[in-house]
Amino acid sequence: EVQLVESGGGLIQPGGSLRLSCAASGFTVSSNYMSWVRQAPGKGLEWVSVIYSGGSTYYADSVKGRFTISRDNSKNTLYLQMNSLRAEDTAVYYCARDLGDSSGYLDWGQGTLVTVSS
Amino acid sequence: QSVLTQPPSASGTPGQRVTISCSGSSSNIGSNYVYWYQQLPGTAPKLLIYRNNQRPSGVPDRFSGSKSGTSASLAISGLRSEDEADYYCAAWDDSLYVFGTGTKVTVL
Repeated sequence: EVQLVESGGGLIQPGGSLRLSCAASGFTVSSNYMSWVRQAPGKGLEWVSVIYSGGSTYYADSVKGRFTISRDNSKNTLYLQMNSLRAEDTAVYYCARDLGDSSGYLDWGQGTLVTVSS
Repeated sequence: QSVLTQPPSASGTPGQRVTISCSGSSSNIGSNYVYWYQQLPGTAPKLLIYRNNQRPSGVPDRFSGSKSGTSASLAISGLRSEDEADYYCAAWDDSLYVFGTGTKVTVL
């Protein structure tokens, strides 16, 4: 059974850093396209970043230069390093899996809440 | 900032057909597949439609998707109370993924 479990969210001050983790089971992270998607309170979905199976990474303009997506193949885990956090980064962050064959984000984690506030 | 535009709300009575539109551009919908996601309150999104009109295993055939040019639509036929949720279209735009603004469907 495919499972994605996010962790690492919490309350952080503006300008601070946080690293989110997404532990995967039932499949191999490095063989899929893995993404982070966020949702601010009461707002819509916003795509944040993707790491392809080949290792290429892409970011939304809103986080480029501040966030870094990575994976640890030995731990089968996806990460999102978030630096220079702003109030507008407050959101539930979901990790999601795309098989890479245009089949969409079929699997999602339960989400982890990041609150940026002083 | 979303580049795919959806109506903020749609509604219908049980058994009716509801259609949600999604308007994009040549760089996203016009040249890539469209996806649709359903998000029930307090839960993670769920993939409803992929590759414009394909349903993942387990998604009822009451849900159907279509695409024409730079626009797409999701139709829900035989509306049921459990269909009350937020619906988002999405597409790749170059190497970035964009979601629609979202549509809240209410079952009257």
